[in-house]
Amino acid sequence: GNSVTQMEGPVTLSEEAFLTINCTYTATGYPSLFWYVQYPGEGLQLLLKATKADDKGSNKGFEATYRKETTSFHLEKGSVQVSDSAVYFCALRAGDSNYQLIWGAGTKLIIKP
Amino acid sequence: GAVVSQHPSWVICKSGTSVKIECRSLDFQATTMFWYRQFPKQSLMLMATSNEGSKATYEQGVEKDKFLINHASLTLSTLTVTSAHPEDSSFYICSASPGLAGVGETQYFGPGTRLLVL
Repeated sequence: GNSVTQMEGPVTLSEEAFLTINCTYTATGYPSLFWYVQYPGEGLQLLLKATKADDKGSNKGFEATYRKETTSFHLEKGSVQVSDSAVYFCALRAGDSNYQLIWGAGTKLIIKP
Repeated sequence: GAVVSQHPSWVICKSGTSVKIECRSLDFQATTMFWYRQFPKQSLMLMATSNEGSKATYEQGVEKDKFLINHASLTLSTLTVTSAHPEDSSFYICSASPGLAGVGETQYFGPGTRLLVL
Protein backbone atom coordinates (compact mmCIF):
# COMPACT_ATOMS: atom_id res chain seq x y z
CA GLY A 1 0.00 0.00 0.00
CA ASN A 2 0.90 3.67 -0.09
CA SER A 3 2.91 5.10 2.78
CA VAL A 4 5.08 8.03 3.80
CA THR A 5 8.08 7.93 6.11
CA GLN A 6 9.70 11.05 7.47
CA MET A 7 12.50 11.63 9.90
CA GLU A 8 11.64 11.56 13.53
CA GLY A 9 11.92 14.75 15.48
CA PRO A 10 12.34 16.97 17.17
CA VAL A 11 14.94 18.62 14.99
CA THR A 12 16.67 21.46 16.81
CA LEU A 13 18.73 24.02 14.90
CA SER A 14 20.19 27.43 15.45
CA GLU A 15 18.91 30.39 13.50
CA GLU A 16 20.40 30.68 9.99
CA ALA A 17 21.31 26.99 9.89
CA PHE A 18 20.61 24.80 6.87
CA LEU A 19 17.56 22.57 7.20
CA THR A 20 16.81 19.19 5.71
CA ILE A 21 13.83 17.08 6.73
CA ASN A 22 13.85 13.73 4.98
CA CYS A 23 10.74 12.21 3.46
CA THR A 24 10.48 9.00 1.49
CA TYR A 25 7.40 7.35 0.10
CA THR A 26 6.01 4.11 -1.20
CA ALA A 27 3.33 4.32 -3.83
CA THR A 28 2.16 2.71 -7.01
CA GLY A 29 1.84 4.89 -10.02
CA TYR A 30 2.63 8.57 -9.93
CA PRO A 31 1.50 10.26 -6.73
CA SER A 32 1.46 13.95 -5.99
CA LEU A 33 3.65 14.94 -3.06
CA PHE A 34 3.07 17.63 -0.44
CA TRP A 35 4.61 19.31 2.54
CA TYR A 36 2.25 20.78 5.12
CA VAL A 37 3.22 22.92 8.08
CA GLN A 38 1.43 23.36 11.39
CA TYR A 39 2.39 26.39 13.44
CA PRO A 40 1.56 26.31 17.16
CA GLY A 41 -2.17 26.71 17.73
CA GLU A 42 -3.00 26.80 14.03
CA GLY A 43 -4.34 24.39 11.42
CA LEU A 44 -2.26 22.54 8.89
CA GLN A 45 -1.29 24.70 5.92
CA LEU A 46 -0.05 23.58 2.54
CA LEU A 47 3.59 24.65 2.28
CA LEU A 48 4.49 23.32 -1.15
CA LYS A 49 3.71 20.53 -3.55
CA ALA A 50 4.98 18.70 -6.63
CA THR A 51 2.86 16.68 -8.98
CA LYS A 52 5.36 14.87 -11.18
CA ALA A 53 8.91 13.56 -11.16
CA ASP A 54 11.68 16.19 -11.09
CA ASP A 55 9.23 18.96 -10.19
CA LYS A 56 10.47 21.31 -7.51
CA GLY A 57 7.97 22.84 -5.13
CA SER A 58 8.99 26.01 -3.34
CA ASN A 59 7.47 28.52 -0.93
CA LYS A 60 8.72 30.85 1.82
CA GLY A 61 12.32 29.83 1.13
CA PHE A 62 11.55 26.12 1.47
CA GLU A 63 12.14 23.72 -1.42
CA ALA A 64 11.52 20.06 -2.15
CA THR A 65 12.24 18.11 -5.31
CA TYR A 66 10.19 15.09 -6.40
CA ARG A 67 12.76 12.33 -6.91
CA LYS A 68 11.16 9.26 -8.38
CA GLU A 69 14.42 7.31 -8.59
CA THR A 70 14.93 7.57 -4.83
CA THR A 71 11.21 7.91 -3.97
CA SER A 72 12.01 10.97 -1.92
CA PHE A 73 10.71 14.49 -1.36
CA HIS A 74 13.12 16.01 1.15
CA LEU A 75 12.34 19.47 2.51
CA GLU A 76 15.19 21.99 2.56
CA LYS A 77 15.76 25.59 3.54
CA GLY A 78 19.03 27.41 3.32
CA SER A 79 18.70 29.63 6.39
CA VAL A 80 16.02 28.96 8.98
CA GLN A 81 14.44 31.53 11.27
CA VAL A 82 12.86 31.24 14.68
CA SER A 83 9.48 31.75 13.02
CA ASP A 84 9.96 28.49 11.10
CA SER A 85 9.49 26.54 14.33
CA ALA A 86 6.54 24.26 13.64
CA VAL A 87 5.58 20.69 12.85
CA TYR A 88 6.14 19.66 9.22
CA PHE A 89 4.18 16.86 7.58
CA CYS A 90 5.02 15.10 4.34
CA ALA A 91 2.06 13.61 2.46
CA LEU A 92 1.16 11.97 -0.82
CA ARG A 93 -1.98 11.63 -2.83
CA ALA A 94 -2.41 8.81 -5.31
CA GLY A 95 -5.18 7.74 -7.58
CA ASP A 96 -5.24 4.19 -6.30
CA SER A 97 -5.98 5.45 -2.78
CA ASN A 98 -9.03 7.33 -3.98
CA TYR A 99 -7.01 10.54 -3.91
CA GLN A 100 -6.86 10.59 -0.14
CA LEU A 101 -3.92 12.23 1.53
CA ILE A 102 -1.53 9.69 3.05
CA TRP A 103 0.50 11.29 5.83
CA GLY A 104 3.88 10.98 7.43
CA ALA A 105 4.09 11.17 11.21
CA GLY A 106 5.28 14.77 11.26
CA THR A 107 8.61 16.29 12.28
CA LYS A 108 8.78 18.95 14.94
CA LEU A 109 11.29 21.69 14.12
CA ILE A 110 12.68 23.90 16.86
CA ILE A 111 14.79 26.89 15.89
CA LYS A 112 16.80 28.55 18.64
CA PRO A 113 17.87 32.20 18.36
CA GLY B 1 -7.00 32.61 2.64
CA ALA B 2 -9.58 29.96 3.44
CA VAL B 3 -10.12 29.53 7.18
CA VAL B 4 -11.50 26.54 9.01
CA SER B 5 -12.33 26.68 12.69
CA GLN B 6 -12.94 23.94 15.21
CA HIS B 7 -14.74 24.11 18.50
CA PRO B 8 -13.90 23.31 21.17
CA SER B 9 -10.12 23.36 20.96
CA TRP B 10 -9.91 20.93 23.84
CA VAL B 11 -12.37 18.98 25.93
CA ILE B 12 -12.21 16.73 28.97
CA CYS B 13 -15.13 14.43 29.66
CA LYS B 14 -16.10 11.48 31.77
CA SER B 15 -16.21 7.99 30.35
CA GLY B 16 -19.63 7.18 28.92
CA THR B 17 -20.57 10.70 27.91
CA SER B 18 -20.88 11.98 24.34
CA VAL B 19 -18.82 14.80 22.93
CA LYS B 20 -19.61 16.95 19.91
CA ILE B 21 -16.90 18.69 17.91
CA GLU B 22 -17.79 21.36 15.36
CA CYS B 23 -15.91 22.20 12.21
CA ARG B 24 -16.77 25.37 10.30
CA SER B 25 -15.53 26.86 7.07
CA LEU B 26 -15.56 30.59 7.74
CA ASP B 27 -15.13 32.17 4.33
CA PHE B 28 -16.00 29.52 1.79
CA GLN B 29 -18.54 26.82 1.17
CA ALA B 30 -17.21 23.38 1.94
CA THR B 31 -18.69 20.77 -0.34
CA THR B 32 -16.50 18.12 1.25
CA MET B 33 -15.27 17.84 4.81
CA PHE B 34 -12.82 15.33 6.24
CA TRP B 35 -12.29 14.13 9.78
CA TYR B 36 -8.89 12.89 10.90
CA ARG B 37 -7.55 11.44 14.10
CA GLN B 38 -3.97 11.80 15.23
CA PHE B 39 -2.22 9.82 17.93
CA PRO B 40 0.96 11.18 19.54
CA LYS B 41 3.93 10.99 17.19
CA GLN B 42 1.85 9.25 14.54
CA SER B 43 0.38 10.14 11.19
CA LEU B 44 -3.01 11.68 10.65
CA MET B 45 -5.52 8.90 10.08
CA LEU B 46 -8.51 9.67 7.90
CA MET B 47 -11.69 8.66 9.70
CA ALA B 48 -14.37 9.71 7.26
CA THR B 49 -15.24 11.91 4.32
CA SER B 50 -18.54 13.73 4.15
CA ASN B 51 -20.28 15.64 1.40
CA GLU B 52 -22.92 18.18 2.28
CA GLY B 53 -26.37 16.66 2.50
CA SER B 54 -25.29 13.04 2.21
CA LYS B 55 -24.08 10.33 4.55
CA ALA B 56 -20.43 10.23 5.48
CA THR B 57 -18.13 7.61 4.02
CA TYR B 58 -16.17 5.95 6.80
CA GLU B 59 -12.75 4.40 6.46
CA GLN B 60 -12.25 0.75 7.21
CA GLY B 61 -12.05 0.09 10.92
CA VAL B 62 -13.85 3.28 11.96
CA GLU B 63 -17.12 2.61 13.79
CA LYS B 64 -19.80 4.81 12.26
CA ASP B 65 -22.12 4.31 15.23
CA LYS B 66 -19.35 5.45 17.53
CA PHE B 67 -18.26 8.47 15.52
CA LEU B 68 -21.35 10.21 14.18
CA ILE B 69 -20.74 12.74 11.45
CA ASN B 70 -23.28 15.28 10.30
CA HIS B 71 -22.55 17.62 7.40
CA ALA B 72 -25.81 19.52 7.48
CA SER B 73 -24.73 22.68 5.72
CA LEU B 74 -22.02 23.93 3.40
CA THR B 75 -20.19 25.56 6.29
CA LEU B 76 -20.64 23.15 9.18
CA SER B 77 -19.79 19.56 9.96
CA THR B 78 -19.98 17.94 13.37
CA LEU B 79 -18.30 14.87 14.79
CA THR B 80 -19.96 13.31 17.81
CA VAL B 81 -18.01 10.76 19.80
CA THR B 82 -20.74 8.70 21.45
CA SER B 83 -20.24 7.00 24.80
CA ALA B 84 -16.63 8.07 24.86
CA HIS B 85 -14.02 5.89 26.53
CA PRO B 86 -10.40 6.57 27.46
CA GLU B 87 -9.17 4.90 24.27
CA ASP B 88 -11.03 7.59 22.29
CA SER B 89 -8.70 10.21 23.73
CA SER B 90 -6.91 11.73 20.79
CA PHE B 91 -6.40 14.80 18.64
CA TYR B 92 -9.21 15.22 16.10
CA ILE B 93 -8.64 17.39 13.05
CA CYS B 94 -11.10 18.42 10.39
CA SER B 95 -10.45 19.77 6.94
CA ALA B 96 -12.71 21.25 4.31
CA SER B 97 -12.59 21.45 0.56
CA PRO B 98 -14.62 23.74 -1.67
CA GLY B 99 -15.14 20.98 -4.22
CA LEU B 100 -15.75 17.30 -4.37
CA ALA B 101 -12.88 15.17 -3.07
CA GLY B 102 -10.66 14.55 -6.02
CA VAL B 103 -7.34 15.06 -7.69
CA GLY B 104 -6.93 18.77 -7.63
CA GLU B 105 -8.91 19.87 -4.61
CA THR B 106 -7.08 21.62 -1.81
CA GLN B 107 -8.00 20.80 1.76
CA TYR B 108 -8.02 23.56 4.37
CA PHE B 109 -7.42 22.37 7.90
CA GLY B 110 -8.83 23.32 11.25
CA PRO B 111 -6.55 23.73 14.29
CA GLY B 112 -7.70 20.48 15.85
CA THR B 113 -9.54 19.43 19.01
CA ARG B 114 -7.85 17.58 21.78
CA LEU B 115 -10.16 15.12 23.55
CA LEU B 116 -9.31 13.57 26.90
CA VAL B 117 -11.70 10.98 28.28
CA LEU B 118 -11.26 10.19 31.96
